[in-house]
Amino acid sequence: AQTVTQSQPEMSVQEAETVTLSCTYDTSENNYYLFWYKQPPSRQMILVIRQEAYKQQNATENRFSVNFQKAAKSFSLKISDSQLGDTAMYFCAFSLTGTASKLTFGTGTRLQVTL
Amino acid sequence: GAVVSQHPSWVICKSGTSVKIECRSLDFQATTMFWYRQFPKQSLMLMATSNEGSKATYEQGVEKDKFLINHASLTLSTLTVTSAHPEDSSFYICSARGSGMGIYNEQFFGPGTRLTVL
Repeated sequence: AQTVTQSQPEMSVQEAETVTLSCTYDTSENNYYLFWYKQPPSRQMILVIRQEAYKQQNATENRFSVNFQKAAKSFSLKISDSQLGDTAMYFCAFSLTGTASKLTFGTGTRLQVTL
Repeated sequence: GAVVSQHPSWVICKSGTSVKIECRSLDFQATTMFWYRQFPKQSLMLMATSNEGSKATYEQGVEKDKFLINHASLTLSTLTVTSAHPEDSSFYICSARGSGMGIYNEQFFGPGTRLTVL
């Protein structure tokens, strides 16, 4: 079974600064998908960024980027130029590649962006 | 595109009654739908996976007779909480996945339903 660990329950960052959220996972599979989801106070789950394990290049989406270290089974999220609207819960998630695969979520990191 | 809706967004019911929550994929055909439960300040816990026209697959520890899931069409899945009790109060989220929608097996999430059982 796969597990996802987020070791930072809460983090705070000032507006316009950069913050990195940590995520580690455990799997014996060689190919899989990794995701970061954002859950703002509205509780709507929003996909922030995704990475396929066999792609060595780190994914980037505007101000969001990941540092994917496959050997270390680490998948951290970097948010640059933090904005007040980035305040949310952030969940790291893992999925195998089969079409019937489920998402395994980490416990989440609550990010507060301050003025 | 890839919008998933849930209805109702919020429901209050009396203990012992049943409540039905609908999950619809509005602009794609959802071959697989997932139901999650989320307690305050906690992560999403997968309850069950349903494929259109098939019986749902429940996760270990989830009572299938209490949480009835029906996926009768490619755009609709329902979760019925039977004989609800206060401990069933929670936030229920559905997600949907369509065939041929990209390479990441991406799930598209509904906005959630807050259930309060008095």
